[in-house]
Amino acid sequence: DIQMTQSPSTLSASVGDRVTITCRASQSISSWLAWYQQKPGKAPKLLIYKASSLESGVPSRFSGSGSGTEFTLTISSLQPDDFATYYCQQYNSFLWTFGQGTKVEIK
Amino acid sequence: EVQLVESGGGLVQPGGSLRLSCAASGFTFSSYSMNWVRQAPGKGLEWVSYISSSSSTIYYADSVKGRFTISRDNAKNSLYLQMNSLRDEDTAVYYCARIDWNYVADYWGQGTLVTVSS
Repeated sequence: DIQMTQSPSTLSASVGDRVTITCRASQSISSWLAWYQQKPGKAPKLLIYKASSLESGVPSRFSGSGSGTEFTLTISSLQPDDFATYYCQQYNSFLWTFGQGTKVEIK
Repeated sequence: EVQLVESGGGLVQPGGSLRLSCAASGFTFSSYSMNWVRQAPGKGLEWVSYISSSSSTIYYADSVKGRFTISRDNAKNSLYLQMNSLRDEDTAVYYCARIDWNYVADYWGQGTLVTVSS
């Protein structure tokens, strides 16, 4: 199975900060990587697919990059609505795996 | 509007069974593959099972293989997860999710809580 490792596990930031979350795959997954945002008690929301493609309706302050085994999610200017947990997910095969999550907290 | 509504969760004893349902609306259900994804309390997301649009291809996570069965009824716009031999570690919120043309989950249900406890 492909293992996904996110860092950091928790991130404290302020409104307006630039935030970067890293996700590493245990083997190459090309660009088959998605990012989701999840708020407490809610279902995950798709933000980014194919490593860098922005899902329709998602603000442009979110961006993704990377390929192979190393990927990043960047929020260019953190907004109050962005405090949440973020997950990366590989879909190189039908047997999906998720990273353990990164909680973005208010500093 | 795309909607996915899970039901069937509840409290069950270890070794028991439960059948989850996911009612789909607002899109052509028979054209989309579907997944079940779960989340244990306070934990991360775990993929559980995949079914193709025609049910011809099915996959399971190792943690549920041999105990869970995914199925769908395209005439009823419904997805199912039959869960047998339930264990404490199966306690989680179970989400159904639609897989879009980019092979990712673009719509998710609100989830249904399964609690396995004696």
